[in-house]
Amino acid sequence: NFMLTQPQSLSESPGKTVTISCTGSGANIATNYVQWYQQRPGSAPTVVISQDDQRPSGVPDRFSGSIDSSSNSASLTISGLQTEDEAVYYCQSYGNNNFWVFGGGTKLTVL
Amino acid sequence: QLQLHESGPGLVKPSETLSLTCTVSGGSITSDSYFWGWVRQPPGKGLEWIGTVYYTGNTFYNPSLKSRVAVSEDTSKNQFSLRLTSVTAADTAIYYCVSLIAVPGTTYFDNWGRGTLVTVSS
Repeated sequence: NFMLTQPQSLSESPGKTVTISCTGSGANIATNYVQWYQQRPGSAPTVVISQDDQRPSGVPDRFSGSIDSSSNSASLTISGLQTEDEAVYYCQSYGNNNFWVFGGGTKLTVL
Repeated sequence: QLQLHESGPGLVKPSETLSLTCTVSGGSITSDSYFWGWVRQPPGKGLEWIGTVYYTGNTFYNPSLKSRVAVSEDTSKNQFSLRLTSVTAADTAIYYCVSLIAVPGTTYFDNWGRGTLVTVSS
């Protein structure tokens, strides 16, 4: 079964850059696109990166996504961190047999 | 912009059936550009995809729930629904209805309802 693994938590200071990893197991992560979702407390998730590295309209260019086939992982990078970026971030992809899968989520603290 | 709104009971007894409906506005559920589905989130935990339906009637389910779940659509009301049978406390979660946009090479969750908390308890 295809699974996505993320670090449970990360913290960084305002203005800095943070990278959240998402490691695939059970399949090649580059086979299907990866999306990233931001979930602030009490709110539904919203997509911040689609199709590996595409920013939907309205998402600041401080957010970027990439894929590293050599490590079978995807990454979300947030530069110029702001306090409003504090949230839980989920990666998501598509496994075999019509199966949508989420990573476990990474709680980002900006302090 | 699509808007999705969940409705249904907030409390379900163990062993009974959880039923939720999602009403879609701002677009048609018969659009070939979208799939429609459900995602849940137990309190304090991560996201779990439950199931998805396409306007053709094709359905796709999380293997871990497949024996208990059904997702269906009512095109006359522009709604789709979730049924989860034989619920236990482990099914207590916020249930989100979602649209999945179909783009070249993938589909992903582009619009979410606000979510509805369903508690399984006697």
